[in-house]
Amino acid sequence: KAGVTQTPRYLIKTRGQQVTLSCSPISGHRSVSWYQQTPGQGLQFLFEYFSETQRNKGNFPGRFSGRQFSNSRSEMNVSTLELGDSALYLCASSSGGTQEQFFGPGTRLTVL
Amino acid sequence: SQELEQSPQSLIVQEGKNLTINCTSSKTLYGLYWYKQKYGEGLIFLMMLQKGGEEKSHEKITAKLDEKKQQSSLHITASQPSHAGIYLCGALSTYNQGGKLIFGQGTELSVKP
Repeated sequence: KAGVTQTPRYLIKTRGQQVTLSCSPISGHRSVSWYQQTPGQGLQFLFEYFSETQRNKGNFPGRFSGRQFSNSRSEMNVSTLELGDSALYLCASSSGGTQEQFFGPGTRLTVL
Repeated sequence: SQELEQSPQSLIVQEGKNLTINCTSSKTLYGLYWYKQKYGEGLIFLMMLQKGGEEKSHEKITAKLDEKKQQSSLHITASQPSHAGIYLCGALSTYNQGGKLIFGQGTELSVKP
């Protein structure tokens, strides 16, 4: 089986712009979770989608949003980018519940 | 809110030596995940533990979850340079919380040849 894929791998944006990141889960997995990783805050949970519905949400402002499509692929959007949004964004896929979560390679976002 | 504390924060060992990384929670864990990460890359899944007293091994890495399900340890036997990286423990803090994992701050392991 192919692993979790994320596109793009690297992204450079300027403050005020918006960005969309994509995640394709492992075939058959219906749950996709998004995380932000920074040197200061570590790995923090953003949100989780299961069967096109947001099931869990972390403590991030409304500028961070996401969605999931019927084929389980997920997108994450960040509007009005701030310098502090520079981070490695990781998505994880699982079959749901308390099952193993497998992570993608991440998207490195730099905001200038 | 639940927090996971890892110790040590960093570790330098000589190749061939054994080592242990600990992950402690203030609350009961409903699923404990161990991952390895190379700097700036994605997380590689190592093991998941769910039951109190559970122990799993893969190659030279063994992970255990204590009976109270509040502490886990990761043990590497006869370390090799390929074991170097950042080890992260993650946990489900509430049963049926789906994919919401909280993570420890990580343990950076260096293995000197």
